[in-house]
Amino acid sequence: DAGVIQSPRHEVTEMGQEVTLRCKPISGHDYLFWYRQTMMRGLELLIYFNNNVPIDDSGMPEDRFSAKMPNASFSTLKIQPSEPRDSAVYFCASREKTGAYNEQFFGPGTRLTVL
Amino acid sequence: SQKIEQNSEALNIQEGKTATLTCNYTNYSPAYLQWYRQDPGRGPVFLLLIRENEKEKRKERLKVTFDTTLKQSLFHITASQPADSATYLCAPSTGRRALTFGSGTRLQVQP
Repeated sequence: DAGVIQSPRHEVTEMGQEVTLRCKPISGHDYLFWYRQTMMRGLELLIYFNNNVPIDDSGMPEDRFSAKMPNASFSTLKIQPSEPRDSAVYFCASREKTGAYNEQFFGPGTRLTVL
Repeated sequence: SQKIEQNSEALNIQEGKTATLTCNYTNYSPAYLQWYRQDPGRGPVFLLLIRENEKEKRKERLKVTFDTTLKQSLFHITASQPADSATYLCAPSTGRRALTFGSGTRLQVQP
């Protein structure tokens, strides 16, 4: 398996623009997580899905952020409109429903810069 | 509120020595605790999990301890190598599917 795939790897946009980040989880994994990482706040959970259904979105900072998972192999995180404070690395992770270690497998991340 | 503390200062050690990283947590009782490694420009990678009823877990040169009384986990790397240089994140978990991560400690092993 290729692991968790994220695109784009880097995104530079201007304030006010819409940004869409994409994630393909590992095949067969039931859970998908979106995280944001910054120097100031570390790695923060934004939202997670189980079997394509959003379970906990309490980490989504505000209404400008939305996430969808239309099927088991694809998820998007959208920011509209984007602001400079959204600049961060966004990670997607997935895990099996019943793994021995409950470990999460992370993608390479998308580095977002909002000017 | 739940809080996870890892030493924010980088840990610098000489090759061959044992590195010890600390993870302290407050205001919750994790059922297990995970440790991840993160290299620059990459996502975290799972290393070890230790459960609340386990005092110690080993994997090759790695050793993790879990003291539920002190609310602390220690992560040891013996015979450290420059390739061990990375940021190490702890994630105590109550058993919910989502994880909350500490801010991580950067380890630098000097040759």
